[in-house]
This record gives sequence, structure tokens and C-alpha cells, in this order.
Amino acid sequence: AQRVTQPEKLLSVFKGAPVELKCNYSYSGSPELFWYVQYSRQRLQLLLRHISRESIKGFTADLNKGETSFHLKKPFAQEEDSAMYYCALVNQAGTALIFGKGTTLSVSS
Amino acid sequence: ETGVTQSPTHLIKTRGQQVTLRCSSQSGHNTVSWYQQALGQGPQFIFQYYREEENGRGNFPPRFSGLQFPNYSSELNVNALELDDSALYLCASSLRGGANTGELFFGEGSRLTVL
Repeated sequence: AQRVTQPEKLLSVFKGAPVELKCNYSYSGSPELFWYVQYSRQRLQLLLRHISRESIKGFTADLNKGETSFHLKKPFAQEEDSAMYYCALVNQAGTALIFGKGTTLSVSS
Repeated sequence: ETGVTQSPTHLIKTRGQQVTLRCSSQSGHNTVSWYQQALGQGPQFIFQYYREEENGRGNFPPRFSGLQFPNYSSELNVNALELDDSALYLCASSLRGGANTGELFFGEGSRLTVL
């Protein structure tokens, strides 16, 4: 079965603290994984993809096939990082994204 | 560059009615996907259209149907509305395949309430 699990509904941190948003997946083969973000009053948008191995807005995510995880990390959270974050997996047919339920990140000063 | 636009933004229907939602894809994109997002859930794949044909379908009944037009815009039709169809319906466009797989450009959604 193809599935994405985001175990935390809400993550609250203080500005400057490290952030780790958890994502676990279930997939046969080599997964293609993404993080999408939705800021307040904005549309859902791509944050980063594991293939690129890039850092966007200070966020990174490493694919760990052994633990079937793709956690999103940032060493120092900023207030503007407050948003809803979705982990997503391309389905086996390559036609759709399977999304987790999302984690709300709240960064306060 | 024009982004994905959806209409209407909000609508209210009663059980048993039919609804049509519309989507204009981002300039240059040839693939449109529709997702349903219920409250507190992540987006759930309904179907994808490529070159005016359905190219993949999620676990939704046949009363959910769609169209894609030659200009790549799309419609989502839902017949015999049920209370559980109340949700945000998201349209997303993309370039099919290659390095863009999985990179979707979303509209702001159409919020449907079924009473």
C-alpha cells in the first residue's frame, strides 16, 4: 500500500529553535517524495523535492529508505515559517501525489 | 505567467444536486489534476487529465467526472451530491512526466458546501 503518515498535527516552537517535521511513507520501490507548504491565505505550493537535494528557505529533507522517512528540518525557525506543511509521495502509476494529513507549524517569538 | 485559476470560489448546493467546477491551467501546462480536501485532511487525488483524456483516477465513484478542453482548461462535475462531498476542491496543473513529475501548481480551490 502507498501511504504517507505525518504523525504530528501541530508543532509549536519558538523563534530560533530547531524544527523537524516528521514524514513516514509506505511504498514499493524507489519513492519520489516532496514537501508542499501552504502559508496563510496562500495556495498550496511546492517547497522541495528529494531528488533535488536542495535547501529552500533554510529547509532540508533527507530520504532515509531504511526508516522509510523523509523528515523536514530547519536549524533555526523563523516566524514566517508558520504554515501548514504536507509531505507527498508520487503514486506507483506516476499520475498523482499521495498527501499526508499535514502538520501545522507555529513559530512564536 | 498566469497561474491556475478556479471558479467559483465558494458555492452551496443541496443533497442530490449536481455541480460543475472550473479550472484554467497555468500557461504552458498540459496536464490537469483534481484533488478533494476535506477538513483536517490532506488533498486526495480524484483524477488527472492529459490531452483531453482521463489519465488516472483515485478512489472516487463514477458520479465524479471531468473534462479537459483543447486549451487545457478543465471541469470537474459531481452528480447526485452527498453531504460528504462538502470539501475544498483543488485543481493543479503540471507538465506531464520528466523532471517535473510531482511538481504541481495549485489553484486556490473551490469550497463546496452540501446541505
